[in-house]
Amino acid sequence: DGGITQSPKYLFRKEGQNVTLSCEQNLNHDAMYWYRQDPGQGLRLIYYSQIVNDFQKGDIAEGYSVSREKKESFPLTVTSAQKNPTAFYLCASSMGSWSENRQFFGPGTRLTVL
Amino acid sequence: KQEVTQIPAALSVPEGENLVLNCSFTDSAIYNLQWFRQDPGKGLTSLLLIQSSQREQTSGRLNASLDKSSGRSTLYIAASQPGDSATYLCAVPSRPPLKAAGNKLTFGGGTRVLVKP
Repeated sequence: DGGITQSPKYLFRKEGQNVTLSCEQNLNHDAMYWYRQDPGQGLRLIYYSQIVNDFQKGDIAEGYSVSREKKESFPLTVTSAQKNPTAFYLCASSMGSWSENRQFFGPGTRLTVL
Repeated sequence: KQEVTQIPAALSVPEGENLVLNCSFTDSAIYNLQWFRQDPGKGLTSLLLIQSSQREQTSGRLNASLDKSSGRSTLYIAASQPGDSATYLCAVPSRPPLKAAGNKLTFGGGTRVLVKP
């Protein structure tokens, strides 16, 4: 069954903690993305990766870090420097062509700061 | 900088009525436009991707139109059903395109739809 998986579904973080959100895809897609969604708002891009061992900052990268050591995996770490991390986090992937670039999304992780 | 707007933010219709969802964008030089559906607490499901060379794209009861010159796209859902209740988002890719792979998308804020039985 091809698709994108994210874990955990719910995550609780204490002040000052770093937490890592997992994203795995078996679609053989080159590009992967992390978005943040706040209530009643659209998605904002945190980081994206076009190839293994390479990634770029999106619009709201401060307080976040990523790695892309394998094509199928793109974990996101929410660091203690992120001042307002409570949000719904979505991972996505897409094929290489920019002209036909349908993005496919995982089920999301809801992060809450205690 | 590209800006994408969806108005209204929420819409309620009786079952059986046709739905008309609007998406506007400020930079008309887009490569394509994508419509997504999001159920509460879930990820996004891609509904339609319409290329810049196309004026329409259809899938079942869904039809998306694109008018680049006016910076607008419309998603039509015929004969709405309670199962169509969800938030619908549109998104366009950034310019210039990424060199290696993929594309950055700019999303609208979404339209939350409620279809009443």
